[in-house]
Amino acid sequence: NAGVTQTPKFRVLKTGQSMTLLCAQDMNHEYMYWYRQDPGMGLRLIHYSVGEGTTAKGEVPDGYNVSRLKKQNFLLGLESAAPSQTSVYFCASSYSSGNTIYFGEGSWLTVV
Amino acid sequence: GENVEQHPSTLSVQEGDSAVIKCTYSDSASNYFPWYKQELGKRPQLIIDIRSNVGEKKDQRIAVTLNKTAKHFSLHITETQPEDSAVYFCAASNGMDSSYKLIFGSGTRLLVRP
Repeated sequence: NAGVTQTPKFRVLKTGQSMTLLCAQDMNHEYMYWYRQDPGMGLRLIHYSVGEGTTAKGEVPDGYNVSRLKKQNFLLGLESAAPSQTSVYFCASSYSSGNTIYFGEGSWLTVV
Repeated sequence: GENVEQHPSTLSVQEGDSAVIKCTYSDSASNYFPWYKQELGKRPQLIIDIRSNVGEKKDQRIAVTLNKTAKHFSLHITETQPEDSAVYFCAASNGMDSSYKLIFGSGTRLLVRP
């Protein structure tokens, strides 16, 4: 039981490049989330999903897209990376609303 | 939408003393309030949570209190130890809302001095 796993763990992008962060969970959770963490700003919700085939915007969705084609996977895409997207990205999942959220180990992204 | 404010941003205590971190939330419909601990370079991990139907919950040296009228909740750590040093985040959500979103405070960096 690996929990929540994210790939890649580290990535350096040039401005304008695109990339996808992959999140996978093996806990059969319905809900999945993408957060970004910046110094002094805590964890901010980018997008989330309440089930396979559904996605919704969080607090800071601009510049990102997501997809949940399979229940166990939640992908975060950056179509045209900007330096402001330099951050640590955490994927998370939970069984349902009001239940414990489990985080992945994080993905460190630098955009130069 | 929900907004969570957390204070203080940094807290330094002597080993053995108590530490208190406070959070306020804006959405009166919020009913689930977890606390996460994040060590340097690691993922956030749940340490305790409380739901709106109780006013206090304890787990060994950690306790959380909730005042729904004032819309604030607090984390209390007693007999602090150096391994308690970390960043602590509070969060709030409406657990019954199908569009469930957990909104975090900005974090408190706790330093426990030996």
